[in-house]
Amino acid sequence: GIQVEQSPPDLILQEGANSTLRCNFSDSVNNLQWFHQNPWGQLINLFYIPSGTKQNGRLSATTVATERYSLLYISSSQTTDSGVYFCAVERGTGGFKTIFGAGTRLFVKA
Amino acid sequence: NAGVMQNPRHLVRRRGQEARLRCSPMKGHSHVYWYRQLPEEGLKFMVYLQKENIIDESGMPKERFSAEFPKEGPSILRIQQVVRGDSAAYFCASSPVQGELFFGEGSRLTVL
Repeated sequence: GIQVEQSPPDLILQEGANSTLRCNFSDSVNNLQWFHQNPWGQLINLFYIPSGTKQNGRLSATTVATERYSLLYISSSQTTDSGVYFCAVERGTGGFKTIFGAGTRLFVKA
Repeated sequence: NAGVMQNPRHLVRRRGQEARLRCSPMKGHSHVYWYRQLPEEGLKFMVYLQKENIIDESGMPKERFSAEFPKEGPSILRIQQVVRGDSAAYFCASSPVQGELFFGEGSRLTVL
């Protein structure tokens, strides 16, 4: 099946710093999403981005489908950005399930 | 516009009992997915359903686990004869067609 790898696995930032999270996938995909799981366990939709670039406030994401990777940029990080960031992909052939990467665990220090 | 609703939010069962988790998708969504998350781990796909049909259950354990999405009412994930290893957070997601998933807040099962 398709493999989804996220890096780095863990990240500690000082408040105000910028960061880039990466998601590599091993096969072509129909859809790609980024989620933030907050410390209370809620999964928050960040981006639905099978290709191209999107921005939402301090967050932006870019997916280069032909090279099988996606990047999530966090600028001017805040303590409320702490949690786990998941990349999830849906492969269009052989089933339609969405597969999650292992996540990047982010801690932002005040 | 109500999101994906899951209940119960927390469930405690003793070994050997049954657990039933319910999921009501967002209005207008006809696709439901169940995922399991063990502590400190990612989300593992279990099953994908449409109304009255199981589309993909490749992530479901072969025994004790079953899922349904009836014509009327919520989707149900049923775990029979629970064991301690079933303790986890179970998340439900819905989508209008194959596309963006929206998740509920999860049901946290503890098996004593």
